[in-house]
Amino acid sequence: GAGVSQSPSNKVTEKGKDVELRCDPISGHTALYWYRQSLGQGLEFLIYFQGNSAPDKSGLPSDRFSAERTGGSVSTLTIQRTQQEDSAVYLCASSLSSAPEEGTQYFGPGTRLLVL
Amino acid sequence: GIQVEQSPPDLILQEGANSTLRCNFSDSVNNLQWFHQNPWGQLINLFYIPSGTKQNGRLSATTVATERYSLLYISSSQTTDSGVYFCAVESHNAGNMLTFGGGTRLMVKP
Repeated sequence: GAGVSQSPSNKVTEKGKDVELRCDPISGHTALYWYRQSLGQGLEFLIYFQGNSAPDKSGLPSDRFSAERTGGSVSTLTIQRTQQEDSAVYLCASSLSSAPEEGTQYFGPGTRLLVL
Repeated sequence: GIQVEQSPPDLILQEGANSTLRCNFSDSVNNLQWFHQNPWGQLINLFYIPSGTKQNGRLSATTVATERYSLLYISSSQTTDSGVYFCAVESHNAGNMLTFGGGTRLMVKP
């Protein structure tokens, strides 16, 4: 079946503009995660959704970052007033559930964001 | 939070050689995954292995949870094995997110 998909593949924006990144998880997966990969920080967790529970936002680096998940499926990560340090690859992952035996995370191809 | 260290950071092999990559972690884990990041940036699942040993073709992995380390073995390496290998763990005490190690960058020469 289809894997995790993300759009756009690449995004170039000007400092100060807002951007929205989209993630479509694997059908039937209840858990969805956002990570980012940057040269200086490696791969780091941003936010986690599980079913209808309140999201775990502990990894969001500032209040300019927010995410929502509509209908338990598609998720959108929004970055307001982008800064150059936001330039990174934003990766989405999903897993069947949060139970340990169902917790294998599958990653999408990522969105490469460049803030000029 | 949990610390994840991978070694070596860089590795160059001649095609056909074998190698062992190591992942050490600082706390008990619910989940441990090994990934291969290809040149296009895609993270490809290799193993879900919080404990025990698994094999898939030329790759195998062993996790000794009580001693807090995991090993990834690559046998008869091929040029297509080149890329970055990441170990990532889900801490027993810190929710469901993965914490990644710094990766091992592997180059296999023909």
